Amino acid sequence: IVLTQSPGTLSLSPGERATLSCRASQSVPSNYLAWYQQKPGQPPRLLIYAARHRATGIPDRFSGGGSKTDFTLTITRLEPEDFAVYYCQQYDTSPPYPFGGGTKVEIK
Amino acid sequence: EVQLVETGGVVVQPGGSLRLSCAASGFAFDDYTMHWVRHTPGKGLEWVSLISWDGNRRNYADSVKGRFTISRDNTRNSLYLQMNSLTTEDSALYYCVKDTPFDDWGQGTLVTVSS
Repeated sequence: IVLTQSPGTLSLSPGERATLSCRASQSVPSNYLAWYQQKPGQPPRLLIYAARHRATGIPDRFSGGGSKTDFTLTITRLEPEDFAVYYCQQYDTSPPYPFGGGTKVEIK
Repeated sequence: EVQLVETGGVVVQPGGSLRLSCAASGFAFDDYTMHWVRHTPGKGLEWVSLISWDGNRRNYADSVKGRFTISRDNTRNSLYLQMNSLTTEDSALYYCVKDTPFDDWGQGTLVTVSS
């Protein structure tokens, strides 16, 4: 499965809504799709698993949606700490576990 | 608190070998599948390998199959990655990661393959 993320870069202001897309080349089994946030100099952090479930400690302004081949990550109101790179990943029962190419959310 | 500490990253020549280690603490290490994931500025994140809790299941990305070997020592709460026949394409920050999906990550260890 190949994951394609769009857009490559999203330029927004704090308080705005961000919608990130992740498209799979074939249906993701059981919607085993995760989203990660990565800031410079830090490891990725799990935000969303199974397409729509927030990981422990993740604020409710982050939400995941979609199914099969089309998935979205929505940040309802961007906080200053949300400007980062976001990756989607498929993690079916069998590897490999591909990542998308990432979407950078930058301050406009 | 889960802690994963990777070590072993250095500058190595093409064709060389390297062994990465990951010391785990704060959780029952022998209950979890563990992974290695690498990150490069140009290619982003790439899953490299996984090993099941008991070591009986090991999988590799095609890009490293036959060159890298993952292992673990549950008595030492440690994960390893033996890397042979290294190329410049293997230069990356290597992360040790717990479980699937990847809910805990180390800070990474930098591998640079260069002559």
